[in-house]
Amino acid sequence: ETGVTQTPRHLVMGMTNKKSLKCEQHLGHNAMYWYKQSAKKPLELMFVYNFKEQTENNSVPSRFSPECPNSSHLFLHLHTLQPEDSALYLCASSQESGGRSSYNEQFFGPGTRLTVL
Amino acid sequence: AQKITQTQPGMFVQEKEAVTLDCTYDTSDPSYGLFWYKQPSSGEMIFLIYQGSYDQQNATEGRYSLNFQKARKSANLVISASQLGDSAMYFCAMREGDNFNKFYFGSGTKLNVKP
Repeated sequence: ETGVTQTPRHLVMGMTNKKSLKCEQHLGHNAMYWYKQSAKKPLELMFVYNFKEQTENNSVPSRFSPECPNSSHLFLHLHTLQPEDSALYLCASSQESGGRSSYNEQFFGPGTRLTVL
Repeated sequence: AQKITQTQPGMFVQEKEAVTLDCTYDTSDPSYGLFWYKQPSSGEMIFLIYQGSYDQQNATEGRYSLNFQKARKSANLVISASQLGDSAMYFCAMREGDNFNKFYFGSGTKLNVKP
């Protein structure tokens, strides 16, 4: 496997279900991200992990719970979601060296298309 | 205020012609980076080109070039010799300052290349 992988690619769940999204990066990066992409809206940064430590939580509802067991894996645990949570969830990674803003582009996975019924 | 503005929801271009996708940004930080990503219908975001705020020259990467006008706070993407495979959503993004948590995306432009 190369780059950033995400599983599953598609997920349909009811509002009472509990499910998890998985992301794995094979790039040796030290930062990982979860984004939400809804129709006709800009990408929304949800969570950021740097060296396995969560550094950002952009006012995301508690029904989304991230987990980063190591620098290569990132999970998004889902429970009691709402229909408006239906979206494409993208995972990304980057190599952060600190200092002045530089050429640290984020590499994205293919996303998980989530539908909440 | 929006950090990244893309005013063209959709664009059409004839195959083999050049097209410019607009992007303006808003920041008071002197240090920032600007990115363009392509998102085909498959969903994956593909990095295209980067421009740093301190870079003196406009970035180029194959058929992609970035028209960076710092005073106007614009970072337009120019695609030369359009190909059918260029049909996709295009997103402009900005990383603000040294904080990699501050990564903002625009709403995107859907480009359709006509044969």
